[in-house]
Amino acid sequence: SQKIEQNSEALNIQEGKTATLTCNYTNYSPAYLQWYRQDPGRGPVFLLLIRENEKEKRKERLKVTFDTTLKQSLFHITASQPADSATYLCALDRTNAGKSTFGDGTTLTVKP
Amino acid sequence: DAGVIQSPRHEVTEMGQEVTLRCKPISGHDYLFWYRQTMMRGLELLIYFNNNVPIDDSGMPEDRFSAKMPNASFSTLKIQPSEPRDSAVYFCASSLSRGGGSNEQFFGPGTRLTVL
Repeated sequence: SQKIEQNSEALNIQEGKTATLTCNYTNYSPAYLQWYRQDPGRGPVFLLLIRENEKEKRKERLKVTFDTTLKQSLFHITASQPADSATYLCALDRTNAGKSTFGDGTTLTVKP
Repeated sequence: DAGVIQSPRHEVTEMGQEVTLRCKPISGHDYLFWYRQTMMRGLELLIYFNNNVPIDDSGMPEDRFSAKMPNASFSTLKIQPSEPRDSAVYFCASSLSRGGGSNEQFFGPGTRLTVL
C-alpha cells in the first residue's frame, strides 16, 4: 500500500542553523511533490512545489530536492529563525491538479 | 480576496445530532477539497469536487458523511448522525488547475468539531 513517511521525531535546532526535513514514500509514483507549513490552529499554507523532472527548487531561505530513485524529498530551511517553528507537511500528487496525499508532518522548533 | 471561508469555526454537539459544515472557496477556483485532521490519522482527504462535480469520495468514512456543492461558491459537509469519533478539525481547501501543473491548495481556517 502507499505510504508517506516524514521525520518520525520532532526536530529541534538552534537559531541560525539549517533545518533538514525528510519525506520518504513507497508504492507511489508522484508527478509533483509539495511542501506546506501549518501553524497551530490554522490550515496548511503552501510553500513550494517540485516536479518529478526537477532535482531542486529554491525560494528565499527554502530549498527542496526530489530524488525519484530514492523516493525521497528533502526540505531545507537555511539560517533558521524562531518564526520558522511550525509543522511542515509534504504532499504527493499523481496528476496535474486533483487530489494530494499528505504525510503526517514534522514539527520543527527553532530555539533562540 | 478573503481566502477560503469556513463556518462555523467551532462546533460542539451531542452524539446523534446532525452537523453541517460550510465552505466558500476562493472565487475562480475550480477544485474544492474536504479534509479531516486528527492527531492519530493526520490530514485525510474525504472528498473533492471539480467544477462542482464530486470526483473522488473514497475517503468519506461511511454513509453518515455526505458532501454537496450546489454551485461554484458554496459547499457543505454533513454528518448525520454524529459520533464522538467524528471529533476532529475539518478543513476545506480550493485550488485552480493550470495547464502547466500547479496543485497549490489554499486552505480555510478549519472547523473544530467536538461530538460529546
